[in-house]
Parts: sequence; structure tokens; C-alpha cells
Amino acid sequence: GQSLEQPSEVTAVEGAIVQINCTYQTSGFYGLSWYQQHDGGAPTFLSYNALDGLEETGRFSSFLSRSDSYGYLLLQELQMKDSASYFCAVSLGGGYQKVTFGTGTKLQVIP
Amino acid sequence: EAGVAQSPRYKIIEKRQSVAFWCNPISGHATLYWYQQILGQGPKLLIQFQNNGVVDDSQLPKDRFSAERLKGVDSTLKIQPAKLEDSAVYLCASSFESPYEQYFGPGTRLTVT
Repeated sequence: GQSLEQPSEVTAVEGAIVQINCTYQTSGFYGLSWYQQHDGGAPTFLSYNALDGLEETGRFSSFLSRSDSYGYLLLQELQMKDSASYFCAVSLGGGYQKVTFGTGTKLQVIP
Repeated sequence: EAGVAQSPRYKIIEKRQSVAFWCNPISGHATLYWYQQILGQGPKLLIQFQNNGVVDDSQLPKDRFSAERLKGVDSTLKIQPAKLEDSAVYLCASSFESPYEQYFGPGTRLTVT
């Protein structure tokens, strides 16, 4: 089987840095994606890591360690609008690439 | 570029009734996904189409759920009969070449009473 684990909730202060971790157990791993979803909204794609290392996109960075089956999303200079749920999702190889989402981490940014 | 369109946005039905949702993906996106998202959980894939063929429906409750994607463009998802536990947001998504980068529609919030 396969599993993904994320913390259910994280609270951080505006202007600070927060790291949201994701560990996975799966076979046929291809890569790790991150999505943001505001309450009542649709998930939006943030980043994708297929190789080990850090990918930076503005205030957001994502990291992957394939040997540790671990990744994280790093949000810098937190803003109130970053309050949302963040999902990691694993891509699995095979005849077609299958994507499975984690249960999500609800981030609350406080003043 | 227009995003993924879904309708209706909200639907309230009684248990044992039937309901249908419609999705129009982004133009040119060959892959279309239907997800069920229960409050506080991540999206759960129900069915994945590549053009108008099904590539994964392993988590679709086939005794009550059905989906089709005629002509490889828009798609409908039907529930018949609905159960209380079907109350959720039904999300449609599409992707071009990379399944890890999906574009989601606004979803349909279904309440079964």
C-alpha cells in the first residue's frame, strides 16, 4: 500500500518562516507535488520535485529527499493570505502517472 | 486561458435521489480527473480519463457512481442513488502533459439529507 503523512495543523506568525513536512511510503515513486487550498476554494498547484534538492519559487520553496522518503514545503515572509490548507501529493509511475494526495496541513498565520 | 468549469456549484438532494455534475476542462488538456473531497481531508481520486478512455476508476463506487467523457472533452459524473456519506465537494481537474500539475475547477458542494 501507500501512505502520506503531514501534520494536521500548523500555526505561525506573520513575517516568519514555516516548514510543512510530508513523509511518504509508496512503491513506484516518481515525484512530490504541493498544492494550496483556501477554505471554500479549489486546490492550486505550487511546486513539483522529481529530484533531490530544493526548488524555489518566490516566497515558496519545496525540498525532496528520495532516500528518506521525505519532503517539505517552506514558506517565507508569511502573509495573512497564506492561511490555507497545504497538500503534498505523490506521483507514482507505471502505465500512467497516478497522483495521490495527502490529508493536508491547515496553516494558520497569526498577526 | 479559461479555467476548468464545473456546474452546479451547490446541490442539495435527499438520500436515494440521483444527481449529476458537469465539468469542462481547460482546452487541450487530454487528462481529466474527478475527485471527492470530504471536509478536512485531501482530494480522493474517483476516476481518471485520458482523452475519452478510463485509465483509473479503482476507487469509484461503481454500484452507484458513473462517469463518462464523450468526445474527449467535457465530462459528467452521476450518483444514483445518493447516500448520506456522499456529502462532499466534487472536484474536477485537468492536466496537459504532467499529471503532477493539475488545474482544478471550483467544485460542486453536494449535501445529501
